Amino acid sequence: IAGITQAPTSQILAAGRRMTLRCTQDMRHNAMYWYRQDLGLGLRLIHYSNTAGTTGKGEVPDGYSVSRANTDDFPLTLASAVPSQTSVYFCASSEEAGNTGELFFGEGSRLTVL
Amino acid sequence: GQNIDQPTEMTATEGAIVQINCTYQTSGFNGLFWYQQHAGEAPTFLSYNVLDGLEEKGRFSSFLSRSKGYSYLLLKELQMKDSASYLCAAMDSNYQLIWGAGTKLIIKP
Repeated sequence: IAGITQAPTSQILAAGRRMTLRCTQDMRHNAMYWYRQDLGLGLRLIHYSNTAGTTGKGEVPDGYSVSRANTDDFPLTLASAVPSQTSVYFCASSEEAGNTGELFFGEGSRLTVL
Repeated sequence: GQNIDQPTEMTATEGAIVQINCTYQTSGFNGLFWYQQHAGEAPTFLSYNVLDGLEEKGRFSSFLSRSKGYSYLLLKELQMKDSASYLCAAMDSNYQLIWGAGTKLIIKP
């Protein structure tokens, strides 16, 4: 089935540990995004990539890093997790950056940092 | 600053009509999106407006007034499966999306 796959679906993590959330898309979209969603707040952009080989910082990038080695994969890494990073993380993609096309979202990764 | 406002929660009856409002303030404007998100699931695209007026798509319609910084999503003939959160997002001059916190719509039989 075409779309975006995220892994893991859910994870409980001790503070201070390193964690990578995986995201893969098979739609050949150029642009990819990582958002976090917290109760009472809108989706907040963490990092984005307009095309393979490039990345940029979003609204809340601190404590997170990304890479975009190829078109399909866009992993998000928490170098040393903290409780405030407890959230639901959504990976998304669009055909191109800087246009008005719709976003396609993965099913989300629920992360709990204790 | 940039801001999106929408009601936190609304309740409506099956078969009825409901209007979910959204006001926005952005640096420049490149359109207004509505997404639907069922509990525990990913957001899915509903509509995009960039010109003033009403766009109709089946039971769902979306309206935009650029001069007022205002949009609404109109849902007709409500069904139980329409129970979800509805996210409003405005695109600024840099093509960045500014998201509202979402409106949780509860449908009662």
